[in-house]
Amino acid sequence: GAVVSQHPSWVICKSGTSVKIECRSLDFQATTMFWYRQFPKQSLMLMATSNEGSKATYEQGVEKDKFLINHASLTLSTLTVTSAHPEDSSFYICSASTGVTEAFFGQGTRLTVV
Amino acid sequence: GEDVEQSLFLSVREGDSSVINCTYTDSSSTYLYWYKQEPGAGLQLLTYIFSNMDMKQDQRLTVLLNKKDKHLSLRIADTQTGDSAIYFCAERLGGGNKLTFGTGTQLKVEL
Repeated sequence: GAVVSQHPSWVICKSGTSVKIECRSLDFQATTMFWYRQFPKQSLMLMATSNEGSKATYEQGVEKDKFLINHASLTLSTLTVTSAHPEDSSFYICSASTGVTEAFFGQGTRLTVV
Repeated sequence: GEDVEQSLFLSVREGDSSVINCTYTDSSSTYLYWYKQEPGAGLQLLTYIFSNMDMKQDQRLTVLLNKKDKHLSLRIADTQTGDSAIYFCAERLGGGNKLTFGTGTQLKVEL
């Protein structure tokens, strides 16, 4: 299957700083990328959908100024958690879709804000 | 509305079959998926089924879809310890490519 690489896999940052997470589709072009958040022992919660070259569509309750998404190319989307606080600590997962049938997931990023 | 439910936990013995169930409420699903998540990792697509099918088999995996009851199941034959993970079903609604995930079922395979 297609490969989606997410980086970093684990990050610890201080409260008030910003963290950028990258999601790359390595061997295919992704027309759409998705960002999810997962709390321990819970399901994935969709945060936003991004299409290359356009603004992301955020789900209800997700602050777009807090979670900045940039999808500058067909192989790269970034999620920046701005002014991170301990309650932003979570597992963030991206997925990439060609728009056909399947969505492929990155390996996830564990963010810990101290 | 979108609501996808799964049992939280399932324990089976190695070599037995596992059946993980999923119920959904939106009848406009086009594709239904099963993903596997190991600890600290992303999701691995196991298989998917188109909504006009009622069964799909792929090696040890069998997916059954009862569209009338909005019930999806994943059967894993000859379950191995390496199958221990959390399994998520997901539905894709018609006209879009957004997935709605179930609550996840933790499968524990015991010797």
